[in-house]
Amino acid sequence: ELKVEQNPLFLSMQEGKNYTIYCNYSTTSDRLYWYRQDPGKSLESLFVLLSNGAVKQEGRLMASLDTKARLSTLHITAAVHDLSATYFCAVTTGNQFYFGTGTSLTVIP
Amino acid sequence: KAGVTQTPRYLIKTRGQQVTLSCSPISGHRSVSWYQQTPGQGLQFLFEYFSETQRNKGNFPGRFSGRQFSNSRSEMNVSTLELGDSALYLCASSLEGWGTGELFFGEGSRLTVL
Repeated sequence: ELKVEQNPLFLSMQEGKNYTIYCNYSTTSDRLYWYRQDPGKSLESLFVLLSNGAVKQEGRLMASLDTKARLSTLHITAAVHDLSATYFCAVTTGNQFYFGTGTSLTVIP
Repeated sequence: KAGVTQTPRYLIKTRGQQVTLSCSPISGHRSVSWYQQTPGQGLQFLFEYFSETQRNKGNFPGRFSGRQFSNSRSEMNVSTLELGDSALYLCASSLEGWGTGELFFGEGSRLTVL
């Protein structure tokens, strides 16, 4: 069974700072996703990464994928309070879909 | 463009009962997948339907079942409810399934089993 690990699990950061969330997975995957979830809400799609070396950016968030290292990163630049949420990575492999444990991000003014 | 609609949003059942949850995908999307979210187990994949056929299935007992209709609307059913089935159940729709990339999630159905 594929395992998807995120770290850190909890992240408290000040506004204006930069930080990176890491997503490691244990076996070869087909594609990797990043989602955001606000408390009590559903999942919002952020990025879909399809191939090794893929990099996508949207606003203050940038995601990258290294399939050889089985690692994806979600980099936050100059954090703002509105980015406070839980971030999940997820991978598909064959006919299965696995989510990471989630990273709860709190941005402090 | 209407999003993914899940009903009911909240429901309370007792152990041993059964429950049916509904999901209406975005118009034109043919794939619907279901997920369970709990504080202890996190997000887990239940199953995926495409054009009325179950295409993929997660590691859940047979008490969890689903189906998809010709209009792509999907239902999932949980029989003989257990306390551990209390969870947020999310469905997601996509044009062709995981292979095409983006999944769009509904707001979820929050099930409480007493």
